[in-house]
Amino acid sequence: QKEVEQDPGPLSVPEGAIVSLNCTYSNSAFQYFMWYRQYSRKGPELLMYTYSSGNKEDGRFTAQVDKSSKYISLFIRDSQPSDSATYLCAMREAAGNKLTFGGGTRVLVKP
Amino acid sequence: EADIYQTPRYLVIGTGKKITLECSQTMGHDKMYWYQQDPGMELHLIHYSYGVNSTEKGDLSSESTVSRIRTEHFPLTLESARPSHTSQYLCASSEAGTGGKEQYFGPGTRLTVT
Repeated sequence: QKEVEQDPGPLSVPEGAIVSLNCTYSNSAFQYFMWYRQYSRKGPELLMYTYSSGNKEDGRFTAQVDKSSKYISLFIRDSQPSDSATYLCAMREAAGNKLTFGGGTRVLVKP
Repeated sequence: EADIYQTPRYLVIGTGKKITLECSQTMGHDKMYWYQQDPGMELHLIHYSYGVNSTEKGDLSSESTVSRIRTEHFPLTLESARPSHTSQYLCASSEAGTGGKEQYFGPGTRLTVT
């Protein structure tokens, strides 16, 4: 079983809809949680990071972490066609330096 | 402009050839990483470095080697390429002290071994 599970999609939504993405994990020692966006044939770019449980909002993006359920989410409001990409969750332990990634969810926002 | 660069972006090469994938960053980051990513799959860490003359193997076994002679440069070498090495290779860097929390990625090298 993988340490981090993420539905590969594709997740197809109409422009303007809310995109809801999530990851589950098994390692209770994970403390830092990140979301990366990766366009086709590009490297991942960091979108959001949160420490421990709670919510964090940045513009149209909201990240949530529920450590008791080992579940993290990313919401994209007012989705745009330019949001079409693969979204990767990543996480690490407090003392560690290595990130563990999910497999990514491919999102398609249709005009 | 501070950035992280990878060359070549695309490489098609025959079996048995020696190849070096280049990675350079202008951000002065101490930590650098190499990941391997197959289409639709998660990133797997194959090598990392915490500074000059420091290199470690990652979670995924790899036949490649790395060196870190200068802070800004972290090349990856395959002595004898095989079709199983066909993949995308991503280089990343982060500041010391952030513990890899904010890793910045290069555009990747897509390698095809025929």
